Amino acid sequence: GENVEQHPSTLSVQEGDSAVIKCTYSDSASNYFPWYKQELGKRPQLIIDIRSNVGEKKDQRIAVTLNKTAKHFSLHITETQPEDSAVYFCAASSGNQFYFGTGTSLTVIP
Amino acid sequence: GAVVSQHPSWVICKSGTSVKIECRSLDFQATTMFWYRQFPKQSLMLMATSNEGSKATYEQGVEKDKFLINHASLTLSTLTVTSAHPEDSSFYICSARDADGRRGYTFGSGTRLTVV
Repeated sequence: GENVEQHPSTLSVQEGDSAVIKCTYSDSASNYFPWYKQELGKRPQLIIDIRSNVGEKKDQRIAVTLNKTAKHFSLHITETQPEDSAVYFCAASSGNQFYFGTGTSLTVIP
Repeated sequence: GAVVSQHPSWVICKSGTSVKIECRSLDFQATTMFWYRQFPKQSLMLMATSNEGSKATYEQGVEKDKFLINHASLTLSTLTVTSAHPEDSSFYICSARDADGRRGYTFGSGTRLTVV
């Protein structure tokens, strides 16, 4: 199956700085790459996603980039705020497969 | 928007008993259902993928006779943890996808299973 690696596992940034989380995947058939924010014991919340026919997508302070050739994609959060502190997961899917990365615990320091 | 209802939200059972978890898609047809297990401070680990009317495909290391998955209709999938043991205690969550995937993936609210 697909192997999704995510780095870093923990990330601390000062409020107002940018945060970048990176993921790599192994299955070239993967064509959908969502990012989730998850609170403890709750369902993952989709924050942004990108499909393989697009290289970049932005939604206010959040952006995702995709390099299909290199099989990696990244989440960029600008102007971070304390409420951005959470665990973030990337995922990769080919339709009949849907795998998560290992997660990144982001802490935004006021 | 798409909604998946998952029940129960939490359950405590005795070791050796079986527990059934249900996921229902309320306003769309869940052609494919993904079942995950999540231990504390870890990622969501895919256990199995099921397509309506077909047998589930299990990930390596997941016992299909212990984790029974049924996906007999386009709106209901169930996961039964048979002969549960304390090490099965975890957060189980489903995710549904419709046929063309345009809705993305819709998650249930999760089930916290504690085996005592």
